Parts: sequence; structure tokens; C-alpha cells
Amino acid sequence: AQSVTQLGSHVSVSEGALVLLRCNYSSSVPPYLFWYVQYPNQGLQLLLKYTTGATLVKGINGFEAEFKKSETSFHLTKPSAHMSDAAEYFCAVSARAAGNKLTFGGGTRVLVKP
Amino acid sequence: ETGVTQTPRHLVMGMTNKKSLKCEQHLGHNAMYWYKQSAKKPLELMFVYSLEERVENNSVPSRFSPECPNSSHLFLHLHTLQPEDSALYLCASSQGTSGTDLDTQYFGPGTRLTVL
Repeated sequence: AQSVTQLGSHVSVSEGALVLLRCNYSSSVPPYLFWYVQYPNQGLQLLLKYTTGATLVKGINGFEAEFKKSETSFHLTKPSAHMSDAAEYFCAVSARAAGNKLTFGGGTRVLVKP
Repeated sequence: ETGVTQTPRHLVMGMTNKKSLKCEQHLGHNAMYWYKQSAKKPLELMFVYSLEERVENNSVPSRFSPECPNSSHLFLHLHTLQPEDSALYLCASSQGTSGTDLDTQYFGPGTRLTVL
């Protein structure tokens, strides 16, 4: 079985400040991990993914995430927030044993203050 | 058109109506998915099709009926819906369903459904 927990359903950051979104997962087999972003009235856009190899993954729009197996975490960061980063962010996990089923966290809505 | 498209983008229907949601993918993928996104609930997988064959039905009520006539098109037929079925319905596609690195899912913009 797989599960994802995103700590904090809402995060408020100032423009230019660090963005840190937390994601912890549970998986009985080596996971694939994803971060998706959803802008208002739009679908989900893939930000980045971890499958194998380097544990620090760089994505689009300046975001990156680090897979930490010992902590079962895949936190998303961006050094400097921009107003355009205001959106909802979803962490998801899949595992080869589960076919291609994605299990999503509850999402974190990011508000960027000028 | 590129990526995954969905029509209509917005739909309002009564509980006795019959309507259909359409999804089309232009990525050459072989698998397609329907998800439901309700307020304050995590995204829920509804159906998975691989090579036009349904491979997953996630305990979805029969008032939702999927159809996949070919690998590029996916429909969700709706009838006798309830107000609690109001949600954003998202379609996604992937190369396959074996769960490899290549099977990343790409999502459409969604259809916002309101059931009165």
C-alpha cells in the first residue's frame, strides 16, 4: 500500500523568500515520487519526478526536491518565491508493484505575499 | 492541439440528465485515466485504460460509465448523478501502465462539473 502526507494545507510566503513544501510517503517497495502544480482553473502540471539515480531532482520554474529514503521524505523547495508560484502543489507516489497508480497527498496551497 | 485536452471545460447538469465528458491525448500514449478532484479530498483515481482495455475500476458507482474507443480518446458518460458528484474531473495519459520511468502521467485541464 502507498500513502502520501503533505504537512500544511496552506503555506504563505513573502515574495523572494524560500518556499518549502513538505511531503512524506509510505511505500512497501521503492517508490517513484512526483510533484505536480495546479494553477487556478487548470489541470495538473508535472513539476519534477524522482525515479532512480540522483536523489536531488531539479524541475521546472526553479523548483527542486530531494529524495531522502531514511526520512521517507520528498520535500519541495524553491530558493526565492515569485508571485507566479501561487498555486496548489501535490505530492504523489507510485510504485512498480502497484502498476502505474498514483496516490496523491491532500495538496498544499501556496500564497505569495508581495 | 498538443498534450491532453478535455471538453467541455464547464458543465452544469440536472440529476436526471445524461451527459458525456471527452478527453483526447495527442502524445501517442497507450494508457488513459479518469480522476475526480473534490473540494477538501485528495485526488481519486476512477478508471484506468491500457490499450483500450479497462484495467482499473476503483469502486466507482455505475452512474459513471467510461468508454475508450481508441488509445487517443476517453469518454466518461454520466447519468442520474447526485449533487455530491460535483467536482473537477481530470483526464490523464501515460505511455504505459507498467510503472516504469517512462510512464509519467500527463494531465488535461479538467472539466468542472456541477450537478444541481
